[in-house]
Amino acid sequence: AQSVTQPDIHITVSEGASLELRCNYSYGATPYLFWYVQSPGQGLQLLLKYFSGDTLVQGIKGFEAEFKRSQSSFNLRKPSVHWSDAAEYFCAVGINQAGTALIFGKGTTLSVSS
Amino acid sequence: GAVVSQHPSRVICKSGTSVKIECRSLDFQATTMFWYRQFPKKSLMLMATSNEGSKATYEQGVEKDKFLINHASLTLSTLTVTSAHPEDSSFYICSAPRSPEETQYFGPGTRLLVL
Repeated sequence: AQSVTQPDIHITVSEGASLELRCNYSYGATPYLFWYVQSPGQGLQLLLKYFSGDTLVQGIKGFEAEFKRSQSSFNLRKPSVHWSDAAEYFCAVGINQAGTALIFGKGTTLSVSS
Repeated sequence: GAVVSQHPSRVICKSGTSVKIECRSLDFQATTMFWYRQFPKKSLMLMATSNEGSKATYEQGVEKDKFLINHASLTLSTLTVTSAHPEDSSFYICSAPRSPEETQYFGPGTRLLVL
């Protein structure tokens, strides 16, 4: 069965430091890949997505992610974290079509220290 | 961008009552909508796929008689939690793609608290 793994449950990063959130998926072909952010009590906001083409994708709020087929990974990065980035981050995959139901990882909670 | 709304944003009800949650696509038609459930500090779990004009498809382990889904029109899907119990308290989120080839858009979620 398809699955998404986010190995880090909670990460704390100093403001201004770089960030990398890990995501691995299990699927035979290349899935549709997404990163979402969720602030407390809020819905999901799409940060970026990968369907095909350039494996390094740029998203909103200065985030980027790199698809590595050999590692079945789609890690999220940001060169300099801001306090407002503190939130829950979810990696998700879609199978067969971009608009299909998504399989979510368990999420990584990001805390930002000053 | 496309917008999906949910109503109500939060609801408190007594145990044994039924609660209806609406999901609307405001500026596009959606033949398919998805309902997810999120427990506190947990991931989103797909509950069911709502299909306009036909029965919903439920994921394994989801009680279809408890979580009634009706896709009444191309812009509206409703989730009714019947005979709600405290364990049904959760954050319910719907989503809809504009087309099968496009990214789906998520609603802001509905927080249900059953006392």
